[in-house]
Amino acid sequence: AQKITQTQPGMFVQEKEAVTLDCTYDTSDPSYGLFWYKQPSSGEMIFLIYQGSYDQQNATEGRYSLNFQKARKSANLVISASQLGDSAMYFCAMRESLNTGNQFYFGTGTSLTVIP
Amino acid sequence: DAGVTQSPTHLIKTRGQHVTLRCSPISGHKSVSWYQQVLGQGPQFIFQYYEKEERGRGNFPDRFSARQFPNYSSELNVNALLLGDSALYLCASSLEYTGNTIYFGEGSWLTVV
Repeated sequence: AQKITQTQPGMFVQEKEAVTLDCTYDTSDPSYGLFWYKQPSSGEMIFLIYQGSYDQQNATEGRYSLNFQKARKSANLVISASQLGDSAMYFCAMRESLNTGNQFYFGTGTSLTVIP
Repeated sequence: DAGVTQSPTHLIKTRGQHVTLRCSPISGHKSVSWYQQVLGQGPQFIFQYYEKEERGRGNFPDRFSARQFPNYSSELNVNALLLGDSALYLCASSLEYTGNTIYFGEGSWLTVV
């Protein structure tokens, strides 16, 4: 089974609107971390936001928030007030337990296009 | 401060050849991880090195090897290249073995012909 599933290959959003990128995960480990990265065409993966499995509150970082629904095993990324510079690939990733260091499982990504 | 730097940025190799990719982590970072990203896919974990020791290995054949030097920079070596090794190779660094903030370089684009 896939550890991380991103079902939206491509998404379009109007500038200044909000958009939600979906991510579901599969793990039996009670301790895990969920991450979102942005990858522009240059190739670099840019860290956006982190959510720990024991965190009670949903993570927020500026215009990014993570809608964490543990029972549904979903960790959707919400981008508010979209900007043209948000156009990029977005990857959801998971790390299982603290003993696996920085071994991440990534999804296949969602390509976001912001329309002026 | 310099971020994670990787070299070369682009290279073309022939099947059967060997390639060495290099990574310099952010100053002070002791952990380096390597990922392979095939076109249209998410990155796949290859190796993690921490304090010059291998601390994790993904599901890759023995043709893939790596090492970390005393200054924490790292090399990824791939022998007997196959067409399927064509990918973006990403290096990531963090301060410690497990980090919630991991910084990636821009990657090395490898094409095998």
